[in-house]
Amino acid sequence: AQKVTQAQTEISVVEKEDVTLDCVYETRDTTYYLFWYKQPPSGELVFLIRRNSFDEQNEISGRYSWNFQKSTSSFNFTITASQVVDSAVYFCALNDRGSTLGRLYFGRGTQLTVWP
Amino acid sequence: NAGVTQTPKFQVLKTGQSMTLQCAQDMNHEYMSWYRQDPGMGLRLIHYSVGAGITDQGEVPNGYNVSRSTTEDFPLRLLSAAPSQTSVYFCASSFTQTGGGYGYTFGSGTRLTVV
Repeated sequence: AQKVTQAQTEISVVEKEDVTLDCVYETRDTTYYLFWYKQPPSGELVFLIRRNSFDEQNEISGRYSWNFQKSTSSFNFTITASQVVDSAVYFCALNDRGSTLGRLYFGRGTQLTVWP
Repeated sequence: NAGVTQTPKFQVLKTGQSMTLQCAQDMNHEYMSWYRQDPGMGLRLIHYSVGAGITDQGEVPNGYNVSRSTTEDFPLRLLSAAPSQTSVYFCASSFTQTGGGYGYTFGSGTRLTVV
């Protein structure tokens, strides 16, 4: 079973629209860490955020915001006023105490295309 | 401080050929790992190492060998390449962070095509 599920395979929006990327995770641990990575067309993985399970505050960084809800095991990512440069594959990932030391479990990714 | 360096960036192999993907880090991280990325599959763990001399299998280890003779280097070997190993490979090193958990540094990836 997938430990991290990103149900949206592809999303297309027009520039300036808001878009939310969903991430649902599964773990039995009370201590765990959630991540979001961006993979632009150039192929490298760009770290966006790391959140531990004890910090349920939502976070905002410029046009990016993250909504962490332990009750629904979700860690969703919203881009406000999207731009063409936001076009990329976005991965959600989980590290929990049951993981092999330091292992990250990745979701399958969501391809976001922002049209001008 | 170069972070995690992967070489080569691109490689084309013929079925049955062998090769080694190189990964080096200069951050003195104990934990290193290899992932492969396939379309629609996310990144899956191939092998990992928790320190020099210690390696173990991840989720998709078949067809790959690793060794860790030094803290810095963690090469991935394909002994007899198969078309199913066509993929993008990422090496990562990780460190324990203050307050718990791990931080991760990824290499820029190797795009491998087996024909």
